[in-house]
Amino acid sequence: DVKVTQSSRYLVKRTGEKVFLECVQDMDHENMFWYRQDPGLGLRLIYFSYDVKMKEKGDIPEGYSVSREKKERFSLILESASTNQTSMYLCASRAFPGQKVYGYTFGSGTRLTVV
Amino acid sequence: QQPVQSPQAVILREGEDAVINCSSSKALYSVHWYRQKHGEAPVFLMILLKGGEQKGHEKISASFNEKKQQSSLYLTASQLSYSGTYFCGTRERTYDYKLSFGAGTTVTVRA
Repeated sequence: DVKVTQSSRYLVKRTGEKVFLECVQDMDHENMFWYRQDPGLGLRLIYFSYDVKMKEKGDIPEGYSVSREKKERFSLILESASTNQTSMYLCASRAFPGQKVYGYTFGSGTRLTVV
Repeated sequence: QQPVQSPQAVILREGEDAVINCSSSKALYSVHWYRQKHGEAPVFLMILLKGGEQKGHEKISASFNEKKQQSSLYLTASQLSYSGTYFCGTRERTYDYKLSFGAGTTVTVRA
């Protein structure tokens, strides 16, 4: 089974800190995604990467950046954390569209609290 | 553009049926369905492609009406294990890499 691992389950950071959320997948998937999940709003796409070193903005990229230096690892960076970035962050991966397995595989999430 | 899901929440007794709807204002290429149990990652249930096909996963099935840009998820003879939040994810074009997710429908199945 594909596994997507997020390095931290819970994080507490101070306002203004630079925060790194790490995500690693072990099935050689081309596409990787970062979503944030908030009650009543569902999952909203922050950034995605369709290949190594390639990235595109999602629907809510402000205040975030990403890095994908290796195929298996996709990092989300909060340049200067703010309280409105307190949320659950979910990483996902999938094989390139057109291959047999289409569904996303999600990590267990990182619950980030910014104080 | 996020699809709209309805209802927001539903409470069922074991053995009852329910329908969850997902609609978009844009033409869709495919619809995904996921279930997330409390404190866990969302899990992929099924994908429906343009063409009006129907799919099933256990006693959970779904349909996709591309003309109406909507999909429905059918929970039949619900079991306690069906409890969770169900999300639809939509893709507008064949070359799109990303999914847009609805706000979710929370399903509670009681004994």
